[in-house]
Amino acid sequence: QKEVEQDPGPLSVPEGAIVSLNCTYSNSAFQYFMWYRQYSRKGPELLMYTYSSGNKEDGRFTAQVDKSSKYISLFIRDSQPSDSATYLCAMSAMEYGNKLVFGAGTILRVKS
Amino acid sequence: GAVVSQHPSWVICKSGTSVKIECRSLDFQATTMFWYRQFPKQSLMLMATSNEGSKATYEQGVEKDKFLINHASLTLSTLTVTSAHPEDSSFYICSARGVLSVLSDTQYFGPGTRLTVL
Repeated sequence: QKEVEQDPGPLSVPEGAIVSLNCTYSNSAFQYFMWYRQYSRKGPELLMYTYSSGNKEDGRFTAQVDKSSKYISLFIRDSQPSDSATYLCAMSAMEYGNKLVFGAGTILRVKS
Repeated sequence: GAVVSQHPSWVICKSGTSVKIECRSLDFQATTMFWYRQFPKQSLMLMATSNEGSKATYEQGVEKDKFLINHASLTLSTLTVTSAHPEDSSFYICSARGVLSVLSDTQYFGPGTRLTVL
């Protein structure tokens, strides 16, 4: 079993839809949770960063962390074709030197 | 803020030659830099962690004599792929973690370097 599970998709949605991306994890030591967006042949771009449980909102993006269920989510409102990319969840723990453990990445396609 | 650059963005070399990739943090000081490798349609695989002024720590299975990492300053790390072979062809991405507490728990990634070994 992988430490971080993420459905690779692809996930196809119409423009304007609300997108829900999710990851589950097995290691309860993880404290820091991140979502990165990666366009083809580019480096990952940090979208959201959350420490411990709770919600965080930034524009059209909302990140949720439920440590009791070991489940994190990223919601994208009013999705745009420019949101089409691979979304990677990542998490880390101080006791592991804050090395990032990535999910496989979910390919998102927003159709106009 | 938190911009990381890589150079070159792509490189093609002959088998047996060495290739150096630079990673720079442009607007912050990076206490730690990380080097990743990514194969098509796969997630990032951590190769090594480097702290400024000390030897890099390599992940299991990564040959340290083949992938030489130098972190000479708080803004520059280099990865040298020595005696490159076609199987080393990949997308290499660096990331940096900052000195400031607001940046210390997150990594900011460079745009990546695509290496093709003929």
